[in-house]
Amino acid sequence: NAGVTQTPKFRILKIGQSMTLQCTQDMNHNYMYWYRQDPGMGLKLIYYSVGAGITDKGEVPNGYNVSRSTTEDFPLRLELAAPSQTSVYFCASSYTGLAVTDTQYFGPGTRLTVL
Amino acid sequence: GQSLEQPSEVTAVEGAIVQINCTYQTSGFYGLSWYQQHDGGAPTFLSYNGLDGLEETGRFSSFLSRSDSYGYLLLQELQMKDSASYFCAVRSPGNTPLVFGKGTRLSVIA
Repeated sequence: NAGVTQTPKFRILKIGQSMTLQCTQDMNHNYMYWYRQDPGMGLKLIYYSVGAGITDKGEVPNGYNVSRSTTEDFPLRLELAAPSQTSVYFCASSYTGLAVTDTQYFGPGTRLTVL
Repeated sequence: GQSLEQPSEVTAVEGAIVQINCTYQTSGFYGLSWYQQHDGGAPTFLSYNGLDGLEETGRFSSFLSRSDSYGYLLLQELQMKDSASYFCAVRSPGNTPLVFGKGTRLSVIA
């Protein structure tokens, strides 16, 4: 299993541009998540999904959109990029949010810079 | 709401023992998890406590006291490679994701 994969690994955007961060998992996990992590800081939840067709907002959803059309894929869309969105973005998945352990498996991250 | 508190930084000597504390406030509680993140890397799962007491996995142990809303991660025989950030996370009932603390940056020095 490849686990959780993310593309691209690095990206530089100009202010106002848009892009989609891709995330795919091959573990048949129901739950998927998007976090952002600013330098030296903790993880902030952007959006999450409990299954295909179902998404919900996290702590910092403004400026982002998500969709979940399949179990495997959970893309994150940035519209009108701003310098405040410069961060490292992690995608994660877990088997089921109802399991008490809810162990999350993280992708390698996408390092995004908005200039 | 949910909140977690953990120290922002800890420094310890190679070969020593270090304890990273985590206190939490939640409206419901299933258990406490710990994740490790090396600089430039992704968080990885270390341990989980669903019941009170100590869980041991090699050099790492994790403890939970539900009555005190408190837990800790204990790292023994510290190695330079243990230098990383460590996050506690709580799991609450329902379809809510894990809530992560802000992380503790551990520096292991010679």
